[in-house]
Amino acid sequence: NAGVTQTPKFQVLKTGQSMTLQCAQDMNHNSMYWYRQDPGMGLRLIYYSASEGTTDKGEVPNGYNVSRLNKREFSLRLESAAPSQTSVYFCASSGMTDTQYFGPGTRLTVL
Amino acid sequence: DAKTTQPTSMDCAEGRAANLPCNHSTISGNEYVYWYRQIHSQGPQYIIHGLKNNETNEMASLIITEDRKSSTLILPHATLRDTAVYYCIVRVALGSGSARQLTFGSGTQLTVLP
Repeated sequence: NAGVTQTPKFQVLKTGQSMTLQCAQDMNHNSMYWYRQDPGMGLRLIYYSASEGTTDKGEVPNGYNVSRLNKREFSLRLESAAPSQTSVYFCASSGMTDTQYFGPGTRLTVL
Repeated sequence: DAKTTQPTSMDCAEGRAANLPCNHSTISGNEYVYWYRQIHSQGPQYIIHGLKNNETNEMASLIITEDRKSSTLILPHATLRDTAVYYCIVRVALGSGSARQLTFGSGTQLTVLP
């Protein structure tokens, strides 16, 4: 039981490049989330998916797209990366109790 | 979600109990108290949650006062690996099929000293 896994762990992009962050959970959770955390700051919600087939914007969705591929997987795409998107990205999932379980994070630097 | 107040920082000697307080005087009857922690550079980690009864699991104990206006997270035998920022969050628990942002405040930086 791996919980929530994220790939890659680290990534460096040039401005304008695109990439997809992958997230998978093996806890049979309905809800999944993408957060970003800037240095010294709290987590901010980018997008979430309350259940398979649905996605909704969070607090800071601009510049991102998401796909809930199936119940296990929730990906985050940056179409044209900008330096302001340099951050640590965390994926989380929750089930019946609303407790959120987080992945280890992806550290993204955009030059 | 009800507002919470936590001390900015605390120290604890290794092997001793760490008692982390949280005030939530405006908590509503259907709001739970959740505790998470974030060890440097890692994803937040769920610790424990409760409604009105004291709770214990393999990581910690949660003591909620009878009036539910405050609570204490207890790490019974703190180790160096427990050094982290601890967050107390009060919110209504949603059922499966619902989702909502988890809002982390400033938390308490716990430093376990050797």
